[in-house]
Amino acid sequence: NAGVTQTPKFRVLKTGQSMTLLCAQDMNHEYMYWYRQDPGMGLRLIHYSVGEGTTAKGEVPDGYNVSRLKKQNFLLGLESAAPSQTSVYFCASSYSPGNTIYFGEGSWLTVV
Amino acid sequence: AQSVTQLDSQVPVFEEAPVELRCNYSSSVSVYLFWYVQYPNQGLQLLLKYLSGSTLVKGINGFEAEFNKSQTSFHLRKPSVHISDTAEYFCAVGIGAQKLVFGQGTRLTINP
Repeated sequence: NAGVTQTPKFRVLKTGQSMTLLCAQDMNHEYMYWYRQDPGMGLRLIHYSVGEGTTAKGEVPDGYNVSRLKKQNFLLGLESAAPSQTSVYFCASSYSPGNTIYFGEGSWLTVV
Repeated sequence: AQSVTQLDSQVPVFEEAPVELRCNYSSSVSVYLFWYVQYPNQGLQLLLKYLSGSTLVKGINGFEAEFNKSQTSFHLRKPSVHISDTAEYFCAVGIGAQKLVFGQGTRLTINP
């Protein structure tokens, strides 16, 4: 049972470089989310999607872009990485509001 | 705006002692409430959730939580903790609930 899969798991970037984090879910969920986790700040929502072809901003969207071209995939892009984007990124998905949100195992990103 | 406050950033307890992790939220609309657990270097797993109905909710691993609407609280409890309960615990509020807003987390440390 794959559930929610994130790639890559670890990445080191230089300031100004770009990259894309890929999230894939095999549960046919409509809702998908990208969170970042920083010490003492819990998880903060970056962007989310309520269905294929839709995206919306969360609490901390600046510096990130997302796309949901296929229902099972939710991509998070960093166009020009900054040290402030060093964090652990979690993708998650759910069937509908109020249902359990399932998380991936996280992607550790370091920007130097 | 909705918010979630976990009142303790760290809670140390002895093995087999009871524990309570506190969570308060603010919201002007009906909410869904969740507790998630995160073990080291892993994603988040659902412990329990409150959607409606009985205010006492039982979850996995012997945890339970009580929804108190008048006090806008959703405290997590376990009558007797085990070493394996050492983890970080997150309270979350679903608004609408297209997305979750997380608290800052409480690190539970069980001492032998």
